[in-house]
Amino acid sequence: KNEVEQSPQNLTAQEGEFITINCSYSVGISALHWLQQHPGGGIVSLFMLSSGKKKHGRLIATINIQEKHSSLHITASHPRDSAVYICAVTLFTTNKLIFGTGTLLAVQP
Amino acid sequence: EAQVTQNPRYLITVTGKKLTVTCSQNMNHEYMSWYRQDPGLGLRQIYYSMNVEVTDKGDVPEGYKVSRKEKRNFPLILESPSPNQTSLYFCASSFSVRSEAFFGQGTRLTVV
Repeated sequence: KNEVEQSPQNLTAQEGEFITINCSYSVGISALHWLQQHPGGGIVSLFMLSSGKKKHGRLIATINIQEKHSSLHITASHPRDSAVYICAVTLFTTNKLIFGTGTLLAVQP
Repeated sequence: EAQVTQNPRYLITVTGKKLTVTCSQNMNHEYMSWYRQDPGLGLRQIYYSMNVEVTDKGDVPEGYKVSRKEKRNFPLILESPSPNQTSLYFCASSFSVRSEAFFGQGTRLTVV
């Protein structure tokens, strides 16, 4: 079983829809990261969370430390949101970073 | 402009020929790390460095070396590359392990 699990693996949405991507982890962490990777490869950090909730524009990320779960929400989705979204955690004991396998999001006009 | 710069962006090499992929950041970050990304396996950490002269193995360190002699630079060295090291490589940096990470543009390496 992977230490970081994301769901769904693939997601297709219509423009304007509210989108949720989930991340569950089974290890002790000091931080959780949400990353975005567009076709062509570049990786951008969207959020770093250690507790609570953060919001940047149409993106919202939450984390529940007790349940070892995080969600990434996209409100009013747009075709330019089409990308792979990756959850990653920093291990509390070693400071290593381990990754989920990513969620491929396609937003259709 | 704050950035992480990797070079080269693309590299094709032959088995056994030593190579170095450079990574440099201009943000005075303490934490730097290297990752490889492979289809079906996602991103995996190769090595990381908490500060100058401090490096640690990630999940897939075999076949790689790193050094951190200066804060801004964190080169990845393949002493004897093999075809199974064909991959897309990313360098990243952050102020600390609990800070936002900044990624380089990626290096696509092919070993034939």
